[in-house]
Amino acid sequence: EAGVTQSPTHLIKTRGQQATLRCSPISGHTSVYWYQQALGLGLQFLLWYDEGEERNRGNFPPRFSGRQFPNYSSELNVNALELEDSALYLCASSLRSGANVLTFGAGSRLTVL
Amino acid sequence: AQRVTQPEKLLSVFKGAPVELKCNYSYSGSPELFWYVQYSRQRLQLLLRHISRESIKGFTADLNKGETSFHLKKPFAQEEDSAMYYCALIGGGGFKTIFGAGTRLFVKA
Repeated sequence: EAGVTQSPTHLIKTRGQQATLRCSPISGHTSVYWYQQALGLGLQFLLWYDEGEERNRGNFPPRFSGRQFPNYSSELNVNALELEDSALYLCASSLRSGANVLTFGAGSRLTVL
Repeated sequence: AQRVTQPEKLLSVFKGAPVELKCNYSYSGSPELFWYVQYSRQRLQLLLRHISRESIKGFTADLNKGETSFHLKKPFAQEEDSAMYYCALIGGGGFKTIFGAGTRLFVKA
């Protein structure tokens, strides 16, 4: 069984551009979570999707957005990129909404120049 | 507000020594607590969860509601335990998992 897959592995953008990151959850998982792992800051919760709906978002500006598709895959969009958006973006999925173990992808490394 | 605090960024111990990674949480209700681990060049993965009350790779963690702590312990550290450890919490409405900043454990030979 395939795990959580994320693409691209690496992405280099310049300030002001937009970035799109993609995530495919484990088959059968309906919840997808996005986290930002910046150097020295641990995992910061970004967004949580379940059954196609945004259920919760972290303390990030609106230029961080995303969506979940009918097949439960998800994408994260970051508009008007800033240098401090450079980080590893981790996607995780879980079996159902809430109170469950997260299975993580390998992450997408975003570098903003 | 929910918060997870891991006071040590780096913990260095000798092989065979006991190890304790500290985790304190802030949550008014009954949280569900986890330890996740990230070994070098591997994905972040679940190590253990408090409701399972199990020992994984020799690690145990006890929930102390009075002290709002969930420290991770192992009596005899091994070199392969070197990794980044994250304490995490799920609580109440919202059901999002909140992570601490992580503790890097380095086990010296």
